[in-house]
Amino acid sequence: GAGVSQSPSNKVTEKGKDVELRCDPISGHTALYWYRQSLGQGLEFLIYFQGNSAPDKSGLPSDRFSAERTGGSVSTLTIQRTQQEDSAVYLCASSPQGGGSYEQYFGPGTRLTVT
Amino acid sequence: SQKIEQNSEALNIQEGKTATLTCNYTNYSPAYLQWYRQDPGRGPVFLLLIRENEKEKRKERLKVTFDTTLKQSLFHITASQPADSATYLCATNRGGSQGNLIFGKGTKLSVKP
Repeated sequence: GAGVSQSPSNKVTEKGKDVELRCDPISGHTALYWYRQSLGQGLEFLIYFQGNSAPDKSGLPSDRFSAERTGGSVSTLTIQRTQQEDSAVYLCASSPQGGGSYEQYFGPGTRLTVT
Repeated sequence: SQKIEQNSEALNIQEGKTATLTCNYTNYSPAYLQWYRQDPGRGPVFLLLIRENEKEKRKERLKVTFDTTLKQSLFHITASQPADSATYLCATNRGGSQGNLIFGKGTKLSVKP
């Protein structure tokens, strides 16, 4: 079946512009996660959606970052007034439910470059 | 807060040998540890999950151990092949009902023919 998809695969933007990154999780998965991976760094948690519960936003690095998940499916990560330090690969993952006992299925990522 | 440490950034071995990768956690013993493989330009792919009450888990040429005394998980690839070359990530959840994973920085494995 279809895996997690993300768009765009690459995004180059100018400093100060807003960007939107999209994630389509696996159908039926109630949990959705956003992570960020900078060059040579590990995956950094950003935000976690589980069903209809309030999202866990504890990993968002600043108030320029926000995310929403519509209809329990597609999610959009928005970065306002982008800065050069926002350059990274943004990875989305989904799992059947939340919690550490469930494997996560990752998308291919969106490579964001802020010039 | 929980931290995951993969002390070796890179591991180079000869084809046919067993690769052993180490993952240490610093705080409470997690209920689960997960291992992922990541190839360049791709998202991580799940390999194995081991529970706190499991000492060992196997899948084909892969084996994972969980030692709560040492606060350590070992990941073994037996009869390694060049196709096993990738970055391997260890991860656990933050605890309780928190669903997101905390990842180590990974170990880049290179298997030479």
